[in-house]
Amino acid sequence: SQTIHQWPATLVQPVGSPLSLECTVEGTSNPNLYWYRQAAGRGLQLLFYSVGIGQISSEVPQNLSASRPQDRQFILSSKKLLLSDSGFYLCAWSARFYGYTFGSGTRLTVV
Amino acid sequence: AQKITQTQPGMFVQEKEAVTLDCTYDTSDQSYGLFWYKQPSSGEMIFLIYQGSYDEQNATEGRYSLNFQKARKSANLVISASQLGDSAMYFCAMRVQAGTALIFGKGTTLSVSS
Repeated sequence: SQTIHQWPATLVQPVGSPLSLECTVEGTSNPNLYWYRQAAGRGLQLLFYSVGIGQISSEVPQNLSASRPQDRQFILSSKKLLLSDSGFYLCAWSARFYGYTFGSGTRLTVV
Repeated sequence: AQKITQTQPGMFVQEKEAVTLDCTYDTSDQSYGLFWYKQPSSGEMIFLIYQGSYDEQNATEGRYSLNFQKARKSANLVISASQLGDSAMYFCAMRVQAGTALIFGKGTTLSVSS
């Protein structure tokens, strides 16, 4: 069966510090991968999506970046966090004939 | 441009009553899919129901049904016999091509009281 792992679950980081959130998928190959961000009480905003290794599309210009070093690994990074980067980050995957499955999310608080 | 609109920030319902959560969408594509997700306070996104644009019958999954009105571009979620555990945020989402990202509405917070 397919599973998605996302960590850490919670993170408190000072302004200006780096960020690395990781997401891995098991049980499928060549999935489409997505990073979403959800501000408190708001909807989900698509940040990045990837259809293959090294292929990243950015939806929103910001100080975040994403990478896909392996087929089932998706990483969200920042060199210097801003207060506005606080939020709930969700990784998701999809594949042909499957729906969309989300990870458990990371609550990031930038202080 | 593709867009999902959920106009109800909050809805209140009593246990055992039915409730309808509204969703309208905008796309010029003929082939698309509509999804509803439930997000409890834990933050996980729980898939509820899916409707394809070419599906002639409204989708149903247990207590959830999707009232799909293609001409009106609406895809309302109906929850029958509400339970306390239904209290959560509900998101309507759309995919316009297989494998592309979901576009989400802003969500509706449902509160079920006893």
